[in-house]
Formats: sequence, C-alpha cells, structure tokens
Amino acid sequence: QKEVEQDPGPLSVPEGAIVSLNCTYSNSAFQYFMWYRQYSRKGPELLMYTYSSGNKEDGRFTAQVDKSSKYISLFIRDSQPSDSATYLCAMTGSGGSNYKLTFGKGTLLTVNP
Amino acid sequence: DVKVTQSSRYLVKRTGEKVFLECVQDMDHENMFWYRQDPGLGLRLIYFSYDVKMKEKGDIPEGYSVSREKKERFSLILESASTNQTSMYLCASSLDRGGYTFGSGTRLTVV
Repeated sequence: QKEVEQDPGPLSVPEGAIVSLNCTYSNSAFQYFMWYRQYSRKGPELLMYTYSSGNKEDGRFTAQVDKSSKYISLFIRDSQPSDSATYLCAMTGSGGSNYKLTFGKGTLLTVNP
Repeated sequence: DVKVTQSSRYLVKRTGEKVFLECVQDMDHENMFWYRQDPGLGLRLIYFSYDVKMKEKGDIPEGYSVSREKKERFSLILESASTNQTSMYLCASSLDRGGYTFGSGTRLTVV
C-alpha cells in the first residue's frame, strides 16, 4: 500500500461548482498536512496547512483532516477558471529534524467557464 | 516572501554531459530539497540537505550528486546525463514543518 493515495483525475467542473479533492494515507505518524497548487509549467505553491485533525478555512478554500480515518480533503467553493491546476496533498510526521514531506501524485482540476 | 530561484527554466544537454542545476533561497532556511517530477510518477525526492555540507539520499539518488557549500545554495549534479534523466527538476526549501517553498522548476531535456 502506498503511503499516500490521491486520485489523479482529471476532474472537470463548471464554474461556480463546489470541488472536493481527497487523499488517504497509511502512516499514522503523519501530523502535518498540506495542500499545494501547481499551475502548468510552474513549481507547486503552498495553499493550505493544517496540524493534526480538524478544519481550516481560508477564503473559498477549506482543508479538513480526519486522522481516525486517515483521510484529508480540500474543498473549493465557488470554483473559478483560475483554480484550474494540479492539486497535491503532502504530509509529514513530528519526529526527526529533516521535515521531509510525502506527496500524493496530484489531481488535475479544470474549471470550465 | 521566501524566494527560491532556480538558475535555468529550460535546459537541453547531450548524453554523457555533466550537468549542474543551481538553486538559491533567500530566507536562511536550513532545509533544502531536490525533486524530479514526471507524469504519472509525481514528485520523487532525489536528495535533501538539512545543514551546510550535510546531505542525505532521497528515494532516487542514483545518477545524481549534490553540493551545499553555503546555506543559501543547493546544487544538483548529474554526473553523466542520460535520456532517462529528462524531467522537470524542482528545488524547495523549508524552515520547519510549515511547508516547502518551491522554485519555478528546470525542465531538462537530455538528447
């Protein structure tokens, strides 16, 4: 079983839709969870960061972590064409000092005007 | 904002050449990383460094080496470039578990 599983999509939605992106993981030591957005031919940029379980909201974006199910989600409300990108989940544990992240393979999202 | 700068956006090299990819960050981060990104395979860690002159192998170090002589600079070296090293190379830096800051990437083609 891979440490982090993410549906690669592609996911295509109309403008204004609510988008749900998800990752599952197997390592119960993961404590820090991130979502990155990557536009075509660019490097990933940090979108959301959460520690342990719970929700975090930032504008149209909400990140959820359910550690009991080993499941994380990113919701995008009122999606816009500018949200079209690949979304990568990432996570790491609290031990050690090198802060190495484990990434999902990414979900390609297209928001159609 | 932290800036991570990769020296080249696009690079074309010949098989067997020694290739240097440079990465510089401007916020005094201890940790720096080199990844390659390929369709269907996602991001794969090549090497990382958590201090000057310190380096650790990632998941796919074969055919690569790194150098970190100064805190702000982390170089990836392809000792003898091969066509299977054609890829997008991404450098990142981090201070803590708050996440990485990535550079814009170098798209390397080996012919």
